[in-house]
Amino acid sequence: EVQLVESGGGLVQPGGSLRLSCAASGFTFSSYWMHWVRQAPGKGLVWVSRINSDGSSTSYADSVKGRFTISRDNAKNTLYLQMNSLRAEDTAVYYCARDSGGWYLVYWGQGTLVTVSS
Amino acid sequence: QSALTQPRSVSGSPGQSVTISCTGTSSDVGVYNYVSWYQQHPGKAPKLMIYDVTKRPSGVPDRFSGSKSGNTASLTISGLQAEDEADYYCCSYAGSYTWVFGGGTKLTVL
Repeated sequence: EVQLVESGGGLVQPGGSLRLSCAASGFTFSSYWMHWVRQAPGKGLVWVSRINSDGSSTSYADSVKGRFTISRDNAKNTLYLQMNSLRAEDTAVYYCARDSGGWYLVYWGQGTLVTVSS
Repeated sequence: QSALTQPRSVSGSPGQSVTISCTGTSSDVGVYNYVSWYQQHPGKAPKLMIYDVTKRPSGVPDRFSGSKSGNTASLTISGLQAEDEADYYCCSYAGSYTWVFGGGTKLTVL
């Protein structure tokens, strides 16, 4: 069974940093692209970032480019999102998701809440 | 990277059909056949319902169908059931390894 478990969320002050993790199991992690998607309280889904299977290629939404860094450790079956220079508008539940080998997201974690507030 | 446009809400009675539209541009929905749809119940993670515009993952009822015309994709749910009440989001590949979601549509089953 595919499982994605996010961790690392919490309360952080504006301008601060946080690193999210997503532990994957139930599939060959190193074979799939992975994504981060966020959802502000009461709002819609927003795609944040994607990384290819070996970590050599990454892409970002304009709203986080230059502040967030996606990475992965295939030996540990873990996806990361390093978030720097956090702003109030980054407050959201952050989901990690596995792609299909195609262009859509098949499996999602349950999310971890990041709150940026003073 | 502007969000795709969806109606904020739609509603229908049990047994009826509803259609949710998703309007993008010639840079996303209009040029790629990589539109997917996700169902999200309150407090839960999204669930894939449709991918590649028209395809249904295993386990998704055939009451759910997708289509596309020009820059607009659509999700149709026929034979509405109470458990279909949820938020629905479209998503399109937008080139350069980026994706864009719609703003979401709240489906109410009356």
